[in-house]
Amino acid sequence: QVQLVQSGAEVKKPGASVKVSCKASGYTFTSYYMHWVRQAPGQGLEWMGIINPSGGSTSYAQKFQGRVTMTRDTSTSTVYMELSSLRSEDTAVYYCARPGYSSGWYFDLWGRGTLVTVSS
Amino acid sequence: QSALTQPRSVSGSPGQSVTISCTGTSSDVGGYNYVSWYQQHPGKAPKLMIYDVSKRPSGVPDRFSGSKSGNTASLTISGLQAEDEADYYCCSYAGSYVVFGGGTKLTVL
Repeated sequence: QVQLVQSGAEVKKPGASVKVSCKASGYTFTSYYMHWVRQAPGQGLEWMGIINPSGGSTSYAQKFQGRVTMTRDTSTSTVYMELSSLRSEDTAVYYCARPGYSSGWYFDLWGRGTLVTVSS
Repeated sequence: QSALTQPRSVSGSPGQSVTISCTGTSSDVGGYNYVSWYQQHPGKAPKLMIYDVSKRPSGVPDRFSGSKSGNTASLTISGLQAEDEADYYCCSYAGSYVVFGGGTKLTVL
């Protein structure tokens, strides 16, 4: 079935990097962009950026410019989100989200989320 | 890239209607018909309830409706049911990026 399967929870120390994966199945991977959205504990949703799995082009939210890198592997239908220079405020659940149509701006398919905990 | 403004909480009794507002600017909500709404239960991923201001995905009850006037979008839930108790987030395209609202907690009394 159509789904996004994310990697497991991570615990990182401040200053480290984390790489979260999101494996797509049940649809043509390169036909839909992929977004990343995060949610800090008890807080709202925050958009991080977008990747075009077809060509690999990316666009990041201003807040994360210079710290986030989104990549993809078309051979495994997987997108990755790497966040560097982690600080405690980056503790959050990170979601990948697929738009309702190829380059749409609403999300009808979400991964279950990956909890990233940043703690010394 | 400021968040859209939503009330922190709303409440209603079963069978009643509630409306959640989402206020942005002419650069996001007011500038595009790309407002979407998400329902999130504790510990779960968000679920799409409304897209393109007022369209409902298949499977979403017609008790949920969306609208927009100027820089403010609204989600109305009629015939409230216990299972509607959740957090609701609005979201808007803002010209090459996306912005979410801060979220509204709906309590069904």
